[in-house]
Amino acid sequence: QVQLVQSGAEVKKPGASVKVSCKVSGYTLTELSMHWVRQAPGKGLEWMGGFDPEDGETIYAQKFQGRVTMTEDTSTDTAYMELSSLRSEDTAVYYCATLRPANWFDPWGQGTLVTVSS
Amino acid sequence: QSVLTQPPSVSGAPGQRVTISCTGSSSNIGAGYDVHWYQQLPGTAPKLLIYGNSNRPSGVPDRFSGSKSGTSASLAITGLQAEDEADYYCQSYDSSLSGRGVFGTGTKVTVL
Repeated sequence: QVQLVQSGAEVKKPGASVKVSCKVSGYTLTELSMHWVRQAPGKGLEWMGGFDPEDGETIYAQKFQGRVTMTEDTSTDTAYMELSSLRSEDTAVYYCATLRPANWFDPWGQGTLVTVSS
Repeated sequence: QSVLTQPPSVSGAPGQRVTISCTGSSSNIGAGYDVHWYQQLPGTAPKLLIYGNSNRPSGVPDRFSGSKSGTSASLAITGLQAEDEADYYCQSYDSSLSGRGVFGTGTKVTVL
């Protein structure tokens, strides 16, 4: 059974970068397609990007292209999401989630709160 | 801005039946892509509730059911219980967008 454990909350200043980690257990990262979804306070779910098994590459939502980088360390089975040029609107809970072959997300990490404030 | 539209809120008394709609278009639900549903209890991560339009993962009560028709999908909760009070999101794939994570706008279910 796949389990995802994310890194702790972060507080960043506008213009800075943040890197959130997602540790996989129960499977190896190479067996999974890891994706990232965020949720601003009181708002809905917003897909950011992830590994597309059909293309064999990482794809990003257009909104975040140029500002987000998703990487994986297969030696530690840890996925990372780095978001740069942070602004207050990036304050949100960031989730990692495994994309299943038929395109649903399960399971999800517990979430990481990123607060952007001066 | 999401391409899948849900009602902001629905409510019902304990034991009643409520339904949540998820309206898409010809580039997502109407194109034949499956719809999945998630339940998000307050302060927690989303949890898969229904996959492949109408299938329940192990452990999900049969009070929850899903269906799809045309460019829309629905989630029904029968025998509403207090612990069902949560936010619910639909999700599908959209061929006009790059990516797999198209989520609905979300619906808050309140148990009266």
